Amino acid sequence: GENVEQHPSTLSVQEGDSAVIKCTYSDSASNYFPWYKQELGKRPQLIIDIRSNVGEKKDQRIAVTLNKTAKHFSLHITETQPEDSAVYFCAPTWGGNQFYFGTGTSLTVIP
Amino acid sequence: DTGVSQDPRHKITKRGQNVTFRCDPISEHNRLYWYRQTLGQGPEFLTYFQNEAQLEKSRLLSDRFSAERPKGSFSTLEIQRTEQGDSAMYLCASSDGQGSGNTIYFGEGSWLTVV
Repeated sequence: GENVEQHPSTLSVQEGDSAVIKCTYSDSASNYFPWYKQELGKRPQLIIDIRSNVGEKKDQRIAVTLNKTAKHFSLHITETQPEDSAVYFCAPTWGGNQFYFGTGTSLTVIP
Repeated sequence: DTGVSQDPRHKITKRGQNVTFRCDPISEHNRLYWYRQTLGQGPEFLTYFQNEAQLEKSRLLSDRFSAERPKGSFSTLEIQRTEQGDSAMYLCASSDGQGSGNTIYFGEGSWLTVV
């Protein structure tokens, strides 16, 4: 099965700074790379995703970059706000069957 | 609300009892997933249905766990002879299975506490 790791496991930033979370995976067949945000006690929700034919995708303050050769992809959050505080999970997948989630990164944005 | 719904949201049960959770996916979604999540961990895959067929099952899933999706719509997850280690949040998700990558939508989860 897919071996998925996230780094760092915890991250604290000052409001307005940028945050970067990296996800490494083992299955070279993976072709879909989503990031989920989970607030305390809530369900995980997709915030951004990228497919293997694209190297970077941006949506307002959030971006995802992909390095398929090195088998990692990263979540970038700029101009962080307190409401960005949450746990973020990556879930690289192939065939549209999302089985393996990363261990999560707890982001705290300090006002 | 046409999102994924799960029932019950919370369940407290005594060790050794059986529990059943229900998931109603988004209408027309042919793929349905069950995950288990414990505090501080990511969702852990349990099983996956495409329509009524159970196509994948985690080897971590013991014989005490069984899932069904009899008509390709709602699904149930049953845990027999519950153990304290079963305490977790059980998440259901669904997707429409379009393309090589597709968004999955999670329900709010069913919290299980085994005492």
